[in-house]
Amino acid sequence: AQKVTQAQTEISVVEKEDVTLDCVYETRDTTYYLFWYKQPPSGELVFLIRRNSFDEQNEISGRYSWNFQKSTSSFNFTITASQVVDSAVYFCALSEYGGSEKLVFGKGTKLTVNP
Amino acid sequence: EADIYQTPRYLVIGTGKKITLECSQTMGHDKMYWYQQDPGMELHLIHYSYGVNSTEKGDLSSESTVSRIRTEHFPLTLESARPSHTSQYLCASSSDRNTEAFFGQGTRLTVV
Repeated sequence: AQKVTQAQTEISVVEKEDVTLDCVYETRDTTYYLFWYKQPPSGELVFLIRRNSFDEQNEISGRYSWNFQKSTSSFNFTITASQVVDSAVYFCALSEYGGSEKLVFGKGTKLTVNP
Repeated sequence: EADIYQTPRYLVIGTGKKITLECSQTMGHDKMYWYQQDPGMELHLIHYSYGVNSTEKGDLSSESTVSRIRTEHFPLTLESARPSHTSQYLCASSSDRNTEAFFGQGTRLTVV
């Protein structure tokens, strides 16, 4: 069965600090997809990135970067030079290609960036 | 920009009432989902649909029911609301297998 673990429940940083959100996943499928979502205080989940299991290249988008390592089943998310607007709950999620295609989420990490 | 809408955004209702949470998307997506989010943030899949006339129960048992008569519409109904149903309910849709899901803004339900 698929499972996503986000061990950090809450993280608090000061503006301009770098912060890494950890995500560890479990799956029996060889083909699967990993996602990160952001949930600001307004409530909706905002899609950030999708990565398939065959693409281990790290990705950078502005201040955001993602480190996918199959060897450790991890898909970590780093925010460089954090800003107050980055304060939100961040979710990592997994869907299996051969399974029911359900999107299974981790419990989320609440990030607070203080000025 | 995602086009998925949930109404109402907030609802306070008395115990025993029947309620329907609306979810509509204009993207023509086949797959739709309902998640329940508890105050501790965790998201639980309670229902999903692969298309018209298809509905499946999710990982978390729920007393709610869903229907999918039209592609764009995926309402969730509680026949008799209880305080234990107090939660945030998030609707989502996706176009193809394993693509990203787009979420509505959620309905925050309080049963008193």
